[in-house]
Amino acid sequence: DIQMTQSPSSLSASVGDRVTITCRASQAISNDLAWFQHKPGKAPKLLIYGASTLQYGVPSKFSGSGSGTDFTLTIISLQPEDFATYYCQQYNTYPLTFGGGTKVEIK
Amino acid sequence: EVKLVESGGGLVQPGGSLRLSCAASGFTFTTFAMNWIRQAPGKGLEWVSGISGSGGSTYYADSVKGRFTISKDNFKNTLYLQINSLRDEDTAVYFCAKSDGYNSGWLDYWGQGTLVTVSS
Repeated sequence: DIQMTQSPSSLSASVGDRVTITCRASQAISNDLAWFQHKPGKAPKLLIYGASTLQYGVPSKFSGSGSGTDFTLTIISLQPEDFATYYCQQYNTYPLTFGGGTKVEIK
Repeated sequence: EVKLVESGGGLVQPGGSLRLSCAASGFTFTTFAMNWIRQAPGKGLEWVSGISGSGGSTYYADSVKGRFTISKDNFKNTLYLQINSLRDEDTAVYFCAKSDGYNSGWLDYWGQGTLVTVSS
């Protein structure tokens, strides 16, 4: 199985900050990588697929990069609605696997 | 508009069984793979099972293989997850999600989830 390792597991940031979350795959997955935002009691929301393609309707403050084994999610100008848990997920090979999540909290 | 609505969760004793359903609308159900993903209390997301658009191919996480069975009724536009031999660690919110492709792909739409609690 492909292991997805996310870091950090949590971070504190202020409104207006820029944050970067990294995700590493245990083997090459091309660009078959998605990023999700998840808030308690809600359905996870797809932000990015293909490592860098923004899902329709997602603001451009979110961006993704990487290919192969190393990926990043960057959020600029953090707003109160951005405080949530973020997950990476590979869809290159079954079983599909998620990273452990990064909880973005208000400083 | 794509809509996914899960049902069938509840309180079950260890060793019991449950069948979860996910009613889908707003897209051609036979064209896209479907998945179940769960989140245990205080934990992250865990993919559980997937099925191709036709239903001919199924996939499982090792943690549920042999106990869970995924299926779909392409006439009723409904996805199912039969869960047997339930364990405490199966307690979680179970989400269904649509893949972007026929056999796999990114998970572009999710339901709100249904809670399964395993407890005596």
